[in-house]
Amino acid sequence: RKEVEQDPGPFNVPEGATVAFNCTYSNSASQSFFWYRQDCRKEPKLLMSVYSSGNEDGRFTAQLNRASQYISLLIRDSKLSDSATYLCVVNIGGNEKLTFGTGTRLTIIP
Amino acid sequence: IAGITQAPTSQILAAGRRMTLRCTQDMRHNAMYWYRQDLGLGLRLIHYSNTAGTTGKGEVPDGYSVSRANTDDFPLTLASAVPSQTSVYFCASSSIRGQPQHFGDGTRLSIL
Repeated sequence: RKEVEQDPGPFNVPEGATVAFNCTYSNSASQSFFWYRQDCRKEPKLLMSVYSSGNEDGRFTAQLNRASQYISLLIRDSKLSDSATYLCVVNIGGNEKLTFGTGTRLTIIP
Repeated sequence: IAGITQAPTSQILAAGRRMTLRCTQDMRHNAMYWYRQDLGLGLRLIHYSNTAGTTGKGEVPDGYSVSRANTDDFPLTLASAVPSQTSVYFCASSSIRGQPQHFGDGTRLSIL
């Protein structure tokens, strides 16, 4: 089993819709979680950290489910500019190593 | 503007040649990293450095070497390039290891 797994997609979603995707991690001792966004042929950029209590930043909501070992990202009122690949990142086992998922590709359709 | 600078942006290289990818950051971050990104495999850590003067091996270190003589610079060297090292290389940094990382624009390297 991979340390961090994501559904690669692609997710093709109409503009204005709500979309959510999950990321599962294998090590129950993992302590830090992040979502990154990567546009085509560009560098990954931090979208948001994921806290135990969940957190919201505008149209984006991130949740952590420790019992089931997954994190989720919800995007409301999706915009064309949300089209990108979303990378799940986990600090595996608290050893300070960040492991990146392979990404979920999202395309927002006009 | 603070950030990470990588050079070159892209390079085509003959197999067997030596190549150094440059990475410089001006955020005074302690930790720096080199990743390669290949289709379907995501980002894989090559080498990292927790602080100036120290380096460590990542997931795919073979064929690569790094040095960290000072806080700002973290060059990656391919001693004798092979076609399987064709990839996009990203340098990243963080205040300390385990914290969110900031990435450079990447270097596209093709080995023929």
